[in-house]
Amino acid sequence: QSVLTQPPSMSAAPGEKVTISCIGTSSNLGNNYVAWYQQFPGTAPRLLIYDNDKRPSGIPGRFSGSKSGTSATLGITGLQTGDEADYYCGTWDDSVAGVVFGGGTKLTVL
Amino acid sequence: RLVESGGDLRQPGGSLRLSCAASGFSFQNFAMTWVRQAPGRGLEWVSGISGSGGTSYYAGSVKGRFTIGRDNFANTLYLQMNSLRVEDTAIYYCAKDHYYGSGSYLAFDIWGQGTRVTVSS
Repeated sequence: QSVLTQPPSMSAAPGEKVTISCIGTSSNLGNNYVAWYQQFPGTAPRLLIYDNDKRPSGIPGRFSGSKSGTSATLGITGLQTGDEADYYCGTWDDSVAGVVFGGGTKLTVL
Repeated sequence: RLVESGGDLRQPGGSLRLSCAASGFSFQNFAMTWVRQAPGRGLEWVSGISGSGGTSYYAGSVKGRFTIGRDNFANTLYLQMNSLRVEDTAIYYCAKDHYYGSGSYLAFDIWGQGTRVTVSS
């Protein structure tokens, strides 16, 4: 059971928008920035969002992030079949003095 | 760029040392971390170490068994894994902290390709 809670799976049609939630507690999301990662099968994760809502260079503007209290959200607009991947949220947890990740959300674009 | 090596098959109770060679950035100025992924499972943080190597953190599942270290002259990160268990079977990734300095462990912007560790009798 992961410290951060994400929906196991989501699906949407090409061109639509999807939002993936990440729910934590005061010791992690409530007190620290969140990051989001994208992972395709058989490859390493890639940083999509850091500091709640910032995109590293090279990440399209279709990806956005937000955080409010102990919850965070990753938004993807204009869905493409190439966005089919697993998405993870992560942050530091003050109570365990370690990094915690969500269980991951498998996004299907059909 | 990060390139892991050292993954192998070990019996329960055995030991293994993973390495992660870094290039293309000022290695000594960034915290580094190990993250693992068991087959068909999600990401699990294992350990992190500050840029100087003076501070390290461990997940509860590996504390006392794994030791993280780094050689800033050789631009290499290590993970010494002792008393291996079947549940340590995973792909192990090394990753670079996004933030310059001692380390925040809030975001990881460069990841290696991973090295596979299998623990089985």
